[in-house]
Amino acid sequence: LAKTTQPISMDSYEGQEVNITCSHNNIATNDYITWYQQFPSQGPRFIIQGYKTKVTNEVASLFIPADRKSSTLSLPRVSLSDTAVYYCLVGPYSGTYKYIFGTGTRLKVLA
Amino acid sequence: ETGVTQTPRHLVMGMTNKKSLKCEQHLGHNAMYWYKQSAKKPLELMFVYSLEERVENNSVPSRFSPECPNSSHLFLHLHTLQPEDSALYLCASSQDVDNEQFFGPGTRLTVL
Repeated sequence: LAKTTQPISMDSYEGQEVNITCSHNNIATNDYITWYQQFPSQGPRFIIQGYKTKVTNEVASLFIPADRKSSTLSLPRVSLSDTAVYYCLVGPYSGTYKYIFGTGTRLKVLA
Repeated sequence: ETGVTQTPRHLVMGMTNKKSLKCEQHLGHNAMYWYKQSAKKPLELMFVYSLEERVENNSVPSRFSPECPNSSHLFLHLHTLQPEDSALYLCASSQDVDNEQFFGPGTRLTVL
């Protein structure tokens, strides 16, 4: 199974760029890499998904090196409302239809 | 609003009770999921349904029984639960199993 490893927590200041890296050494050939954001007492919310190289949307960028054993979520110019837990997820083809959420990274944005 | 609704939002039950959690998605998706999130723990995938067939069961105790009567509805039937089953139960759906998942707001379950 493709297990993910992320930093437990990070602090940042408003207006800064935040980069959160996730390790997934056992990623399978057909696995996608997906990032979710979760606020307290809410369900996770999709941020971005990629397979290789770089993906960018209106809220974030996702950088994936050629070996795909890690990925980096980049949040440009964070604000206080970006304080949340960010999960890196790989799947679903590592074995069966298994999505493995890690412990996530608790990002705290300070004023 | 994600297009995925869950009822009830809060539930308190005794260990001998039988209750059901309901999830409904209005997105026309083919896959639905149940997750459990305990305090300060990562999300645990419990069940996956694709086109109303269960395709994954993550060694969940039999006191949790899922039901997917159609592609829009997913239930989680609960009976003889334990206090350690207290958690946030999240439902999600996706177009297919390899697409982004849309999560509902969750049901906060407390087992006394």
